[in-house]
Amino acid sequence: QKEVEQDPGPLSVPEGAIVSLNCTYSNSAFQYFMWYRQYSRKGPELLMYTYSSGNKEDGRFTAQVDKSSKYISLFIRDSQPSDSATYLCAMKSGSSASKIIFGSGTRLSIRP
Amino acid sequence: DTAVSQTPKYLVTQMGNDKSIKCEQNLGHDTMYWYKQDSKKFLKIMFSYNNKELIINETVPNRFSPKSPDKAHLNLHINSLELGDSAVYFCASSPSATGDTQYFGPGTRLTVL
Repeated sequence: QKEVEQDPGPLSVPEGAIVSLNCTYSNSAFQYFMWYRQYSRKGPELLMYTYSSGNKEDGRFTAQVDKSSKYISLFIRDSQPSDSATYLCAMKSGSSASKIIFGSGTRLSIRP
Repeated sequence: DTAVSQTPKYLVTQMGNDKSIKCEQNLGHDTMYWYKQDSKKFLKIMFSYNNKELIINETVPNRFSPKSPDKAHLNLHINSLELGDSAVYFCASSPSATGDTQYFGPGTRLTVL
């Protein structure tokens, strides 16, 4: 079993829809949770960063962490064609020498 | 004002050759990383350096050798290239040793023929 599981998609939704992207994980030591956005042929770009459980909102994006269920989500409201990209969840434990474990990414396409 | 830059952007080479990829960051960060992203987009860490010292060394073939001449640079040298080394290699940097937030370069697409 992989430490982090993410549905690869592709996920295609119409413009303006609410998008929900999810990851599950198995390591209860994970404390830091991130979402990266990667456009085609570009490097990943940090989108959201949360520590421990709860919600964090930034504009049209909301990151949600449920540590009891080992489940994290990213919601995108009022989705735009420019949101079309691959979204990678990522997480790590609190140890300074620990590495970030990435999900395999969900490819998202927003149809105009 | 590129924050994390890599050269070259594309690298096409024959099996058995030796090649290097260079990375530079102008963010003043102390920690730098090399990642490999395979054809299925799976991103996996290879190495991490903090202030020129190796802190993460994943199980990669010892044909791969990172070198950090100073904390703004982290280069990756690959000996005896194999077909399976074909991938996109990303450099990243972080302001802290915990690496909670990382900033990625544009990637180097390596193709081994």
